[in-house]
Amino acid sequence: QKEVEQNSGPLSVPEGAIASLNCTYSDRGSQSFFWYRQYSGKSPELIMSIYSNGDKEDGRFTAQLNKASQYVSLLIRDSQPSDSATYLCAVYRRDTGRRALTFGSGTRLQVQP
Amino acid sequence: GAGVSQSPSNKVTEKGKDVELRCDPISGHTALYWYRQSLGQGLEFLIYFQGNSAPDKSGLPSDRFSAERTGGSVSTLTIQRTQQEDSAVYLCASSLALGQGYEQYFGPGTRLTVT
Repeated sequence: QKEVEQNSGPLSVPEGAIASLNCTYSDRGSQSFFWYRQYSGKSPELIMSIYSNGDKEDGRFTAQLNKASQYVSLLIRDSQPSDSATYLCAVYRRDTGRRALTFGSGTRLQVQP
Repeated sequence: GAGVSQSPSNKVTEKGKDVELRCDPISGHTALYWYRQSLGQGLEFLIYFQGNSAPDKSGLPSDRFSAERTGGSVSTLTIQRTQQEDSAVYLCASSLALGQGYEQYFGPGTRLTVT
């Protein structure tokens, strides 16, 4: 079982719709959760971080965390063609001493005009 | 402010040669990370530096890989006797090492091609 799992996609949504991206993780001790956006040929760009159960909203983006079920999701409202990219879920556990993020393999999102 | 910078942006080298990749983190960020991303693959952790502490080298794939960080700022990743499987994008990230955040910000990467 992978530590962080994401559906590779592509997830195709029409312009203006809500895109829902999901991520599950295996380590119950995980404490911090991040969503990165990566355009083709570019490096990952941090778009959301979430640390507590519940929802966190930032503009058109909402991150949702459920530690009991070990999943984190990203909702993109009013999706735009410019949102077409690969979205990477990353998980961090502080108390192990290992400071690196563990990344999922990403979900490719296609927003159709 | 300025983000993480990396150089060179592209590097083509012959198998068996040594290469050095450079990373300049965001000013004030005490933590620095190296990852690599092979074509169509996820990000693979290589090494982590935090202040004056001993680096976490647990992700280095072989002893051909080494890294150093001078003066708590710039870092250099060195790959000796390069192999074709070393071809990948090498990404550097930096973060503040505060609280539970550890939000990591990535540089543009160095695309390494070993021929």
